[in-house]
Amino acid sequence: GESVGLHLPTLSVQEGDNSIINCAYSNSASDYFIWYKQESGKGPQFIIDIRSNMDKRQGQRVTVLLNKTVKHLSLQIAATQPGDSAVYFCAEMTDSWGKLQFGAGTQVVVTP
Amino acid sequence: SAVISQKPSRDICQRGTSLTIQCQVDSQVTMMFWYRQQPGQSLTLIATANQGSEATYESGFVIDKFPISRPNLTFSTLTVSNMSPEDSSIYLCSAHEDRGTEAFFGQGTRLTVV
Repeated sequence: GESVGLHLPTLSVQEGDNSIINCAYSNSASDYFIWYKQESGKGPQFIIDIRSNMDKRQGQRVTVLLNKTVKHLSLQIAATQPGDSAVYFCAEMTDSWGKLQFGAGTQVVVTP
Repeated sequence: SAVISQKPSRDICQRGTSLTIQCQVDSQVTMMFWYRQQPGQSLTLIATANQGSEATYESGFVIDKFPISRPNLTFSTLTVSNMSPEDSSIYLCSAHEDRGTEAFFGQGTRLTVV
């Protein structure tokens, strides 16, 4: 299938290593942040979220860190697997009804 | 999580024609959102669709070009009108199960205008 990440920054990771994907957000008033994974030919899939009253949240193999001082988010993927190869987007919710502003995206390529 | 179905999944259209994309949610949702994803880029919000009222468009998007319908709490359509090759993109709809929670997305409609 076609890739949506042809022009995106690429992170190459060896299988089994940890991945760190970074994102800068724009609105200091945003209070809810989401990481999405998008595989080729599919819509974005929810991975993990975090609210602004937290600075860290852990899921299964994933951790999101939030630094409000510098408006920075990161997604850490432990023991990266081939199935983690995809484009990853951060998004900030800009109103209470759910409008999302997406970051530029990072293409993660897992090598054997 | 909500399941969102979009159709068509892809289409190739002649310039000057229009295409209507349908989005069906398996549960009732207050707001639905339409995004555009140009090749190799991120998602950009086109408009917010609230049932029973006119859609709210983001800067750079207008109703004449992207008319939206929202006839009930589970369905919405986006029409791409008078298409040109610059409209070639992936169009995605999304919804939230609850206010202020994560958005779920359809699989997208890949549109190519020739």
